[in-house]
Amino acid sequence: GENVEQHPSTLSVQEGDSAVIKCTYSDSASNYFPWYKQELGKGPQLIIDIRSNVGEKKDQRIAVTLNKTAKHFSLHITETQPEDSAVYFCAASGSSGYALNFGKGTSLLVTP
Amino acid sequence: KAGVTQTPRYLIKTRGQQVTLSCSPISGHRSVSWYQQTPGQGLQFLFEYFSETQRNKGNFPGRFSGRQFSNSRSEMNVSTLELGDSALYLCASNVGGGSYNEQFFGPGTRLTVL
Repeated sequence: GENVEQHPSTLSVQEGDSAVIKCTYSDSASNYFPWYKQELGKGPQLIIDIRSNVGEKKDQRIAVTLNKTAKHFSLHITETQPEDSAVYFCAASGSSGYALNFGKGTSLLVTP
Repeated sequence: KAGVTQTPRYLIKTRGQQVTLSCSPISGHRSVSWYQQTPGQGLQFLFEYFSETQRNKGNFPGRFSGRQFSNSRSEMNVSTLELGDSALYLCASNVGGGSYNEQFFGPGTRLTVL
């Protein structure tokens, strides 16, 4: 089955800096790659996603890149703010319908 | 539009008991998926229902089951609870048509097994 690995597990940045989280996947049939943000006591919130026919997607301060050949995708957050502090999960889906295979998560801390 | 709702939010059970969790998807969404979230294993897919039919199933024992009703609301059941079943159970809904539509998660049900 699909295996998604996510790095780093923890990330601490200063406000205003950029943060990058990287994921790799194993199943070449995967073609949908969402990113979720989870705050304490809440369910995961979809923040951005990318499909395999696109190499890059941007939404304000958040961008995602996908390298299908290397089977990796990354989340980039620019001009980080304290409210960006949360756990971020990458996921991959495709070969088994809607089932999402998640990475283990990255705990991001943005310090003022 | 209201988001995904899950009830109850918190639940405490003892080993050997069974439990039923409920999920109401976003209005108009026909697909409901369930995930288990634990510190050790992370987020793991349990099953997905579409139009009252289980369309996909993860690698969990038969003690975990679910169903979907004609109004798209879904329930999952865990029988003969074990300590390791303590987790946050998350429900996600999506439109269900086309391919790989966005999945929107509810707040989860926190299950504690004593």
